[in-house]
Amino acid sequence: GAVVSQHPSWVICKSGTSVKIECRSLDFQATTMFWYRQFPKQSLMLMATSNEGSKATYEQGVEKDKFLINHASLTLSTLTVTSAHPEDSSFYICSATSPRRVGGGTDTQYFGPGTRLTVL
Amino acid sequence: DAKTTQPNSMESNEEEPVHLPCNHSTISGTDYIHWYRQLPSQGPEYVIHGLTSNVNNRMASLAIAEDRKSSTLILHRATLRDAAVYYCILRPYYNQGGKLIFGQGTELSVKP
Repeated sequence: GAVVSQHPSWVICKSGTSVKIECRSLDFQATTMFWYRQFPKQSLMLMATSNEGSKATYEQGVEKDKFLINHASLTLSTLTVTSAHPEDSSFYICSATSPRRVGGGTDTQYFGPGTRLTVL
Repeated sequence: DAKTTQPNSMESNEEEPVHLPCNHSTISGTDYIHWYRQLPSQGPEYVIHGLTSNVNNRMASLAIAEDRKSSTLILHRATLRDAAVYYCILRPYYNQGGKLIFGQGTELSVKP
């Protein structure tokens, strides 16, 4: 299957600082990337959908000014957590796909290994 | 979106088959049934998907009920590496934006 990487795999930062997480599709061009957040013992929660060259679409309740998403190329999307606070500590996971315009229900998403963010 | 219901947890013995059920009584005719799994501290990975007919691949089999209101993911011989959370997800054929909405999933533990 296709490979998606994330960097860094873990990060510890002080409250009030900003943290950038990169998501790369290594062997395919991903027109669409997704960002998820997962708290301990909980399921993945979709934060936003990112299409290459356009603004991200955020899910209800996700602050777009706090979680900045950039998808400048077909192989790279970044998530910046601005002014991070301890409640932002979580496991952040990206996924990538090239959805078909028709029949998107059969598309496979390829997930990165995740980035564990700890805000002190 | 149509919802799925899965048991919170299941146990299995190593090298025995495992049947992971999923109920989706409100499934529509154009919904595909997808399964993903998430190993501890990793991102999810695709397992299998189907529409009406049973499906097999190198990882698992998917058995879909005739009325499509339920499905079962079958791991033919569980290994310790199969211990994970398994998610059953419905995706419309015309899946808007391609996004996946995860439920709570089933946490599978495998005993040696």
